[in-house]
Amino acid sequence: AQTVTQSQPEMSVQEAETVTLSCTYDTSENNYYLFWYKQPPSRQMILVIRQEAYKQQNATENRFSVNFQKAAKSFSLKISDSQLGDTAMYFCAFMKRETSGSRLTFGEGTQLTVNP
Amino acid sequence: EPEVTQTPSHQVTQMGQEVILRCVPISNHLYFYWYRQILGQKVEFLVSFYNNEISEKSEIFDDQFSVERPDGSNFTLKIRSTKLEDSAMYFCASSVDSYSGNTIYFGEGSWLTVV
Repeated sequence: AQTVTQSQPEMSVQEAETVTLSCTYDTSENNYYLFWYKQPPSRQMILVIRQEAYKQQNATENRFSVNFQKAAKSFSLKISDSQLGDTAMYFCAFMKRETSGSRLTFGEGTQLTVNP
Repeated sequence: EPEVTQTPSHQVTQMGQEVILRCVPISNHLYFYWYRQILGQKVEFLVSFYNNEISEKSEIFDDQFSVERPDGSNFTLKIRSTKLEDSAMYFCASSVDSYSGNTIYFGEGSWLTVV
């Protein structure tokens, strides 16, 4: 079974600064996908960024980027130029690579607050 | 942008009552899911559904739960006899096909309170 751990329950950052959220996972799989989802106060789960484990290049999506360290089983999210709208709960998630779809396994979440 | 829609957004029900949560997945998606999030806890997988049958289910998804795609657009989760511990946010989700790695899109959730 896979497990995902987010060791930072809460973090805060000043507007326009950079913050990094940590995520580690445990799996015996070699092929898998990793995701960061954002859950603002509206509680909708919104995909932030996605990484394929077989790709060495770190994914980037505008102000969001990841640091994927496969050997260390680490998948951190960096948010640059933080904005007030980035305030949300952030969930790291793991998905096995299978031919017939797969479930997401989520971490505990990190509550990020961006302060003006 | 297409989105997953869920109804109701919030429902309060008496313990022991049946509840049906409804979802309209994104129109060209073929793979559907239900997840739940008890307040303050992780988001947990309940069930996945493909080609009109359950593809995978978790240990949480016991006999009191069922899913159905009654027509070409709706996907429902039924809880037959609700318990206090069923109080949670229930998320419907969908993905374009059955290949893993495709992005799973979530709805806004249905908040169920069992009293």
